[in-house]
Amino acid sequence: EAEVAQSPRYKITEKSQAVAFWCDPISGHATLYWYRQILGQGPELLVQFQDESVVDDSQLPKDRFSAERLKGVDSTLKIQPAELGDSAMYLCASRSRPLTDTQYFGPGTRLTVL
Amino acid sequence: GQQVMQIPQYQHVQEGEDFTTYCNSSTTLSNIQWYKQRPGGHPVFLIQLVKSGEVKKQKRLTFQFGEAKKNSSLHITATQTTDVGTYFCAGGSTLGRLYFGRGTQLTVWP
Repeated sequence: EAEVAQSPRYKITEKSQAVAFWCDPISGHATLYWYRQILGQGPELLVQFQDESVVDDSQLPKDRFSAERLKGVDSTLKIQPAELGDSAMYLCASRSRPLTDTQYFGPGTRLTVL
Repeated sequence: GQQVMQIPQYQHVQEGEDFTTYCNSSTTLSNIQWYKQRPGGHPVFLIQLVKSGEVKKQKRLTFQFGEAKKNSSLHITATQTTDVGTYFCAGGSTLGRLYFGRGTQLTVWP
């Protein structure tokens, strides 16, 4: 069964450093999402892509976060500089059509900022 | 903005007891999805409800979508230890965005 791939699975960094996360969605899935999940809470959308275009980045802290999906396939989420409050699980999800079908989540990247 | 509230936050039951979690939205939803997240894992899709008043069953799990498409519930009959995890509802907007509730963390005592 096809899966969403994410790397790294774990990342420890010091505040003010730059970090980057990678996501490879299920083949053929045009819609890609990046979520942040703080311990004890539900996933919160950071950015939504449709192919290579950003559809929704209203919750993305653009002063330090950036996301790209240049060829409409895999995607990178970057944080620069990282802050203590960025410690969380960063989840990538994809779906084949935006209004129907399920979202398939990757295993996530657990970020710890020291 | 759109909000999805989910209660209770925690539920502890003895194996064999029933469990229910409730989800309420401040606005009418296009659809609602339910996910299960095991400890240390990622959310896994369970089901999607689209129609007003819809009821779907998956073995011991029963999902309902309210008539006004603003609330939903998940009921598990005769819980088992394998049901342990956090159950999230997620309200879908017309633009395909999901608004997740905080989840209900279920603990099942053997």
